[in-house]
Amino acid sequence: QKEVEQDPGPLSVPEGAIVSLNCTYSNSAFQYFMWYRQYSRKGPELLMYTYSSGNKEDGRFTAQVDKSSKYISLFIRDSQPSDSATYLCAMIYSGNTPLVFGKGTRLSVIA
Amino acid sequence: NAGVMQNPRHLVRRRGQEARLRCSPMKGHSHVYWYRQLPEEGLKFMVYLQKENIIDESGMPKERFSAEFPKEGPSILRIQQVVRGDSAAYFCASSPPASSNEKLFFGSGTQLSVL
Repeated sequence: QKEVEQDPGPLSVPEGAIVSLNCTYSNSAFQYFMWYRQYSRKGPELLMYTYSSGNKEDGRFTAQVDKSSKYISLFIRDSQPSDSATYLCAMIYSGNTPLVFGKGTRLSVIA
Repeated sequence: NAGVMQNPRHLVRRRGQEARLRCSPMKGHSHVYWYRQLPEEGLKFMVYLQKENIIDESGMPKERFSAEFPKEGPSILRIQQVVRGDSAAYFCASSPPASSNEKLFFGSGTQLSVL
């Protein structure tokens, strides 16, 4: 079983839709959870970062962590064509351990 | 304020040649991380360096791969005697001193193609 599982998609939605992206993980020792966005031929950029169960909101983005179920989600409201990218979940055991990434979900938002 | 700079953006090598990938961290950052992204795979950690020190190389293949971050100049990821399986995108990331690595800034990567 992989440490971090993420459905690669692709996921295609109409503009304005609510997008839900998810990852599951196997090791309860993970403490910090991140979502990165990666445009084609670019490096990942950090979107959201959280370390506790519950929701964290930033504009149109909401990150949700359920440590009891080992499940994290990223919700995008009012999706825009500019949100079309690959979204990678990532997590770490502690501040100085390497990031462990999911494979990424490719999202297309159609105008 | 330039971000993390990687060069070259694209590198083509024949089997058996050497590949050198360079990374200049963001200004003021002293921690450098290298990740590899294979097609249809997520990013895989390779190595974590601070100036003149390798902190964690648990993700580096045991042979042919090495990394350095000298006191002056960029960090270098070196792959000797490249094979086709080394074809991938290699990303460098940096973070400030006294910072843990949950907030990394990534470069645009070097796409290595081995013929």
